[in-house]
Amino acid sequence: EVQLVESGGGLVKPGGSLRLSCAASGFTFSRYSMNWVRQAPGKGLEWVSSISGTGSFFYYADSLKGRFTISRDNAKNSLYLQMNSLRAEDTAVYYCARGETSSGVDVIDYWGQGTLVTVSS
Amino acid sequence: QLVLTQSPSASASLGASVKLTCTLSSGHSSYAIAWHQQQPEKGPRYLMNLNSDGSHSKGDGVPDRFTGSSSGAERYLTISSLQSEDEADYYCQTWGTGIQVFGSGTKVTVL
Repeated sequence: EVQLVESGGGLVKPGGSLRLSCAASGFTFSRYSMNWVRQAPGKGLEWVSSISGTGSFFYYADSLKGRFTISRDNAKNSLYLQMNSLRAEDTAVYYCARGETSSGVDVIDYWGQGTLVTVSS
Repeated sequence: QLVLTQSPSASASLGASVKLTCTLSSGHSSYAIAWHQQQPEKGPRYLMNLNSDGSHSKGDGVPDRFTGSSSGAERYLTISSLQSEDEADYYCQTWGTGIQVFGSGTKVTVL
């Protein structure tokens, strides 16, 4: 059974940093691309970033302007999102999601339950 | 620019059918999409991958009541025999070179 479990969310002050993690199990992690998708309170889904199965290719939403960094450790079956210079508008539930292939951007076929990030003073 | 357009809301009676539409932006009518369901207070769930020719493949455990179809730049999700647990937000998703895109979602109400 595919499982994606996010952690690392919490309350952070504007300008602060946070690192999210996603522990994957139930599949061969390195064979699949991975994604971060967020959802602000009461809003729709917003793509944040994607990374290929090998970790060689990564992509970001233009709106992030270089503040976020996606990475993965295939030996640990883990996905990460380093978030810097956080703003109030980054407040959201952050979901880890698996891509259907190893390529980097494609169908999302499994989702985690999400971790809440709140940016507030 | 790759954009997906969805109506904000749809409703139908218990046991009836509802058809949701996701429209691809101009120049992208050949793109495949995916449909995702998000029940209240839950994370999203993948429903299916839908190609431009209407062929689709469903996710694990997705009931037969959920079917997909396509026409031109429009991608459809039809939910038959509506049940109370189908009351949810439904999002379409597509992808291009280095980018993922989500529609704004359609809220389905079961009357």
